[in-house]
Amino acid sequence: GESVGLHLPTLSVQEGDNSIINCAYSNSASDYFIWYKQESGKGPQFIIDIRSNMDKRQGQRVTVLLNKTVKHLSLQIAATQPGDSAVYFCAEIYAGNMLTFGGGTRLMVKP
Amino acid sequence: EAGVTQSPTHLIKTRGQQATLRCSPISGHTSVYWYQQALGLGLQFLLWYDEGEERNRGNFPPRFSGRQFPNYSSELNVNALELEDSALYLCASSPPNNEQFFGPGTRLTVL
Repeated sequence: GESVGLHLPTLSVQEGDNSIINCAYSNSASDYFIWYKQESGKGPQFIIDIRSNMDKRQGQRVTVLLNKTVKHLSLQIAATQPGDSAVYFCAEIYAGNMLTFGGGTRLMVKP
Repeated sequence: EAGVTQSPTHLIKTRGQQATLRCSPISGHTSVYWYQQALGLGLQFLLWYDEGEERNRGNFPPRFSGRQFPNYSSELNVNALELEDSALYLCASSPPNNEQFFGPGTRLTVL
């Protein structure tokens, strides 16, 4: 499959544990943030989003936290499963619809 | 519902040649975005088209260009190819609420 990146930071977790992936964004004017998951050989898939007027949003097994003070975003995955293994990108939107992506983190789930 | 489709899946060119990449958005989406994902790097925003017009472009030289057709499909053209243009080129489409859906990408290799 496709290799997303050779030098990505890697988070290795045991199946069933919780995972926390962090991201620092660059523009304090960004008003919308998205987490994407990219599996090998595929394009990024939307996971969860959050608007800048919120500091927390929960989905199914995933929670996104936004700290605007330090321009930090985190993705928490509960009860991590092998199918969660992928590269995770955070993205911020400003200047209309332009997405700016962070560098990505590779999540590896050990069975 | 069909997702975003891209063609070709793989493209091999030599330096100095031109490459044309194609993208068909999800039905009903009027915006198309192009991103470059080079090995070892994150996604870099290239171009945004909406309703047939270029709305924004990233920090890429003019030899990267494109267009959007009346049916909202899009082409990305890269002229005078250089070795460092080798990358995965991702297309995304969106409805007006900003969530972008990605295609599987075209892997461009420049020899």
